Amino acid sequence: ETGVTQTPRHLVMGMTNKKSLKCEQHLGHNAMYWYKQSAKKPLELMFVYNFKEQTENNSVPSRFSPECPNSSHLFLHLHTLQPEDSALYLCASSQVPGLAGVNTGELFFGEGSRLTVL
Amino acid sequence: DAKTTQPPSMDCAEGRAANLPCNHSTISGNEYVYWYRQIHSQGPQYIIHGLKNNETNEMASLIITEDRKSSTLILPHATLRDTAVYYCIVVWGEGGGSQGNLIFGKGTKLSVKP
Repeated sequence: ETGVTQTPRHLVMGMTNKKSLKCEQHLGHNAMYWYKQSAKKPLELMFVYNFKEQTENNSVPSRFSPECPNSSHLFLHLHTLQPEDSALYLCASSQVPGLAGVNTGELFFGEGSRLTVL
Repeated sequence: DAKTTQPPSMDCAEGRAANLPCNHSTISGNEYVYWYRQIHSQGPQYIIHGLKNNETNEMASLIITEDRKSSTLILPHATLRDTAVYYCIVVWGEGGGSQGNLIFGKGTKLSVKP
C-alpha cells in the first residue's frame, strides 16, 4: 500500500472508445505525474502537475488528455487510441521541495492501470 | 542528468547479500543517486538515495565511491520477494525527483533463487 490508488487496474477499449484512468493519492502531496510503461521499454514521463498546474507535457499526443481537479486527484482521459498505446500507465505523487520541512524528493507510485487497445 | 550504466541481470541466492552496481561516471556535483525497484506488475518503489556519503535504511545500504563515479546498492539478506528490476537514477538536487524528471533506464533484473 503506497498511498496512491489507481483505477481501473485493467482496461480493454476499442480505438473509438472514450475512457478515463483515475488516480488518487492520500499522502498530502502537491505534485502528481503520469508515466507510461510499454512492454520492454523504460518508463516514460507523460505529464507533471505541481499545485494542480500542468508544468510538463512530454510531447504526448493529444489523444491523451490529463486533468487535475485538485492536488489529490489526477485523471487521464483517453480517446481514439491506437493499439500501440497499449501499456501500463502509472500514476505517482510527491512533495515538491521548497515547502516547510524536509523531503527526499522520492516519488510514490500506484500499481498502475494496464490498458489494452484493440 | 547524467547517464547510468547497470548490468542487465544478476542472480543472488536467498539469504545472501545482493550487491547491485551502477556506473555514473559523468555525475556532477549536485546530482544525487537514487535507487528504485519495480516488482513485476507493480509500480516502482523508492529504496534509498545519497549524494556522497554512504547511506543505510531499513531496506538497503548505498555505497558511493569517493569519486562518485559509481555506487553499489546492497540488500544485506536477499529474499525471494526482492526479485525485481532495480533502477539506478541520477537526479539534479535532492528534490529533483519531485519534478518528475526521473529517467528510468532498463535497470538490473535481480533474480533471488532459493
